[in-house]
Amino acid sequence: QSALTQPPSASGSPGQSVTISCTGTSSDVGGYNYVSWFQQYPGKAPKLMISEVDERPSGVPDRFSGSKSGSTASLTVSGLQAEDEAYYYCSSYAGTKNWVFGGGTKLTVL
Amino acid sequence: QIQLVQSGAEVKKPGASVKVSCKTSGYTFSDYGVSWVRQAPGLGLEWVGWITPFNANTNYAQKFQDRVTMTTDTSTSTVYMEVRSLRSDDTAIYYCARGGSSAPPPNFDYWGQGTLVTVSS
Repeated sequence: QSALTQPPSASGSPGQSVTISCTGTSSDVGGYNYVSWFQQYPGKAPKLMISEVDERPSGVPDRFSGSKSGSTASLTVSGLQAEDEAYYYCSSYAGTKNWVFGGGTKLTVL
Repeated sequence: QIQLVQSGAEVKKPGASVKVSCKTSGYTFSDYGVSWVRQAPGLGLEWVGWITPFNANTNYAQKFQDRVTMTTDTSTSTVYMEVRSLRSDDTAIYYCARGGSSAPPPNFDYWGQGTLVTVSS
């Protein structure tokens, strides 16, 4: 199972929007609507931000949104704030009860 | 509230085994699977496998199938993961997370604090 492909870094100024991509294959991202996104601060555990491609768990700001087209999923953070600076990871169901994660993207708020 | 609390850091020599625990609370233990995800220093997340407390079914990522065993203790709502034949590249933070045993959510919605396993001679 190969890891999902994410850009190593992304950046934006406060108030701007930034989109992070997550590319897989038809066996994972393209085959199922079970893509999740996680936020991780250094030294902390990941936090679920988006599940099922575009569902926000309770308590996650609506500035965070998810989408998917074919085998590429995307996380968009609108109205960037300083506290959004973190690492973001995607994950996808990969069939036969297996999961795969992305390599992670460091989001910098300029 | 839902909590997953993991055991403390471990230092092991190459070839040894390590067993990490994940004590859950705040929800019905038998209703959800528990997954393990690891993160090597400075690297991304890697799914290791899951176990369902209800019937102790397990599913491991192919690369871990020969060296990992997950078990549960329903009397204490605790999940265990043992990794055998440790190598230096097993050095990582190991996280437990609720879910993962089926595609529909909830999956990975609550996480433990992580357990650092260091493999060094």
